[in-house]
Amino acid sequence: ETGVTQTPRHLVMGMTNKKSLKCEQHLGHNAMYWYKQSAKKPLELMFVYNFKEQTENNSVPSRFSPECPNSSHLFLHLHTLQPEDSALYLCASAEGGFASYEQYFGPGTRLTVT
Amino acid sequence: KQEVTQIPAALSVPEGENLVLNCSFTDSAIYNLQWFRQDPGKGLTSLLLIQSSQREQTSGRLNASLDKSSGRSTLYIAASQPGDSATYLCAVSTVKAAGNKLTFGGGTRVLVKP
Repeated sequence: ETGVTQTPRHLVMGMTNKKSLKCEQHLGHNAMYWYKQSAKKPLELMFVYNFKEQTENNSVPSRFSPECPNSSHLFLHLHTLQPEDSALYLCASAEGGFASYEQYFGPGTRLTVT
Repeated sequence: KQEVTQIPAALSVPEGENLVLNCSFTDSAIYNLQWFRQDPGKGLTSLLLIQSSQREQTSGRLNASLDKSSGRSTLYIAASQPGDSATYLCAVSTVKAAGNKLTFGGGTRVLVKP
């Protein structure tokens, strides 16, 4: 595997379920990001991790819980979601958490909350 | 707060025509600007990254210019092909937003007709 991978690619869950999204980067990067892309809205940053430490939480509701056990893996734990949380969730990585580095994106997980 | 706007929101051209996509941003204090391509339901593919000190970047049929002082970037795609049909997103990394956070525009949806 190369680049940034995300699993699952599609997920349907009920509002009472608990599920997790996984992201893995094979680029040797030290910064990882979660973004949300809803229909008809620009991509929104959710969380930033730099060297496994969370450096940004963009006012995300607590029903989304990120985890970064090492620089290569990033998880997004989901519980008691709402239908409006249905979106494409994109993971990205960069060489570091500094602004001059290019970000590389995964293919995304299409989440549907029923 | 940085705001990024892309005009037009949608564009349809016959094959062979040159494409001109516009991106504007309100805070000119940026580190860099990235252009991405997104196919329906898929992740983002990075096309070009322009550092704030650069005026343009070229890759094959793609050329992106940056005028930081006026807060504008333009993506030119020469001799368009049906395979260029996608949504094109621009994103800026702003000095005041630490940690390499990108602010995205709403995208331009391009259709190249054979």
